[in-house]
Amino acid sequence: DTGVSQNPRHKITKRGQNVTFRCDPISEHNRLYWYRQTLGQGPEFLTYFQNEAQLEKSRLLSDRFSAERPKGSFSTLEIQRTEQGDSAMYLCASSPRDRSYEQYFGPGTRLTVT
Amino acid sequence: TQLLEQSPQFLSIQEGENLTVYCNSSSVFSSLQWYRQEPGEGPVLLVTVVTGGEVKKLKRLTFQFGDARKDSSLHITAAQPGDTGLYLCAGDPPETSGSRLTFGEGTQLTVNP
Repeated sequence: DTGVSQNPRHKITKRGQNVTFRCDPISEHNRLYWYRQTLGQGPEFLTYFQNEAQLEKSRLLSDRFSAERPKGSFSTLEIQRTEQGDSAMYLCASSPRDRSYEQYFGPGTRLTVT
Repeated sequence: TQLLEQSPQFLSIQEGENLTVYCNSSSVFSSLQWYRQEPGEGPVLLVTVVTGGEVKKLKRLTFQFGDARKDSSLHITAAQPGDTGLYLCAGDPPETSGSRLTFGEGTQLTVNP
């Protein structure tokens, strides 16, 4: 049984560059979530998908952020024109259809913007 | 906005001691999850509690959901160094059930050998 996977695990980029992260959920899960976590804080919700539909976006998700889940399987999170404040751990989670509150997290992508 | 407050923020104990971590809110949650997170890794789901007053045990860990579904506690018996980590509680608000989880800031537990 494979869990949620995320790539890359670490990304260092210069301010102003674009970055894209990928998340592969647990195969039978229909919901996929993105969270952001900064040092000393719990994860904060960004957005979630049910199958390929993006059903909710947080106010934290500025216009520079976009997420897709084109075929209802893997998802990508893109950040355009990165800023130093975007430095954080980006976490992906997935949940099963009948217990959507049980969210299983991937290892995260650590983004550092210099 | 529903907030979850965890206490204590930091806890350093000796191997073999018992401890309790608390997760409190003024709001009701449909369910509450406890996670443990290691540095540089994602949170790992330990347990989900759904019913008010529910008690679940996972080896030396005991989880309780308050009767009013506003608070929860995690009790560890005879702590071991392998229990070291960040413990996070997360609630599922009724109005957004099954979508976003609201997380507390976590309790950093260190168990010294």
